[in-house]
Amino acid sequence: KAGVTQTPRYLIKTRGQQVTLSCSPISGHRSVSWYQQTPGQGLQFLFEYFSETQRNKGNFPGRFSGRQFSNSRSEMNVSTLELGDSALYLCASSPRGPSSYNEQFFGPGTRLTVL
Amino acid sequence: GDSVTQMEGPVTLSEEAFLTINCTYTATGYPSLFWYVQYPGEGLQLLLKATKADDKGSNKGFEATYRKETTSFHLEKGSVQVSDSAVYFCALSGRDDKIIFGKGTRLHILP
Repeated sequence: KAGVTQTPRYLIKTRGQQVTLSCSPISGHRSVSWYQQTPGQGLQFLFEYFSETQRNKGNFPGRFSGRQFSNSRSEMNVSTLELGDSALYLCASSPRGPSSYNEQFFGPGTRLTVL
Repeated sequence: GDSVTQMEGPVTLSEEAFLTINCTYTATGYPSLFWYVQYPGEGLQLLLKATKADDKGSNKGFEATYRKETTSFHLEKGSVQVSDSAVYFCALSGRDDKIIFGKGTRLHILP
């Protein structure tokens, strides 16, 4: 079974631009979660989508948004990029949701650099 | 709110040494606890988990016991290998189903 895939793997943008990252979950998984990983803040939860609905949201500004399609693929969008948005963005999928009994399977991440 | 605190790294050990990476948590209710590992250039992989007090999770020689009285979930391995070099994350899943991660501990194993 193919794992979680994320595209692109690397991205360079300039301040003020917007960016869209894509995540394809493992076949059959309906939940997709997004995380931001930085050296200073570690791993921070952005949001979770389940069956095309946002089910959970972390403490990020409205510039960060996402959506999920009927085939469970998910995209996240960051508008008006800031230098501090430079990070590794990780996507994780699970069969029913990131609950206590569901393992999350992570993709390799998209490395975003904002200049 | 819920939080996870784990020892800062990097931790450097020689091959075959005993490993302990400390992790403590703050949460309401009875969270589930996890250890994830991240190898260079890869995403996170679940290493082990425990869903209730006194449970012991184990995998690939690693173990961690859910201690509610000390709110801890320390990761241990009796004899580490060079291939264990990675970043290790302690995490919890609370009542709202969000997963909260610690900041990660980088482990270097010297041959």
